[in-house]
Amino acid sequence: KNEVEQSPQNLTAQEGEFITINCSYSVGISALHWLQQHPGGGIVSLFMLSSGKKKHGRLIATINIQEKHSSLHITASHPRDSAVYICAVLRGGSARQLTFGSGTQLTVLP
Amino acid sequence: DAGVIQSPRHEVTEMGQEVTLRCKPISGHNSLFWYRQTMMRGLELLIYFNNNVPIDDSGMPEDRFSAKMPNASFSTLKIQPSEPRDSAVYFCASSRPLGGGVGYTFGSGTRLTVV
Repeated sequence: KNEVEQSPQNLTAQEGEFITINCSYSVGISALHWLQQHPGGGIVSLFMLSSGKKKHGRLIATINIQEKHSSLHITASHPRDSAVYICAVLRGGSARQLTFGSGTQLTVLP
Repeated sequence: DAGVIQSPRHEVTEMGQEVTLRCKPISGHNSLFWYRQTMMRGLELLIYFNNNVPIDDSGMPEDRFSAKMPNASFSTLKIQPSEPRDSAVYFCASSRPLGGGVGYTFGSGTRLTVV
């Protein structure tokens, strides 16, 4: 079993829909990242969070440390949101490397 | 700040040739990471440096791969000799010191094709 599991693997939505991507992890972490990767593009860090909730524009990220679960929400989705969204956890302690989920391919249709 | 700068953006080389990928981290970031991304395996950590010292190179696939960080502003990842299965996108990332947050910044990646 992977230490970081994302669901769904693929998601197709109509423009304007509310989108949720989930991430569950099985290890102790000090922080969790949500990353965005556009086709042929680089990786952008959207959020880093260790508790509670963060909001940036139409994006909202939440984390429940007790349940080892995080969600990324996109409100009023737009075709330009189409990308791969990757959950990555930073382990607790002094280890600095990220452990990545396999990503969720989001396609928003006009 | 220009962000994490990687070069080249694209590299096409013949099997057996030496390939050198370059990375300039963000000034003030003391940790640097090399990742490889393939369709089959997703993102994998190859090696990371803390204060220019290699901390964990357990992800380096084999002796053909080597990485150096001669100073705080530059790192290289070298593959010699290259093989077709090395074809992937290689990302460099840097992060701030512990206690100053753990935000990561990724470079744009180098797409390597070995033919």
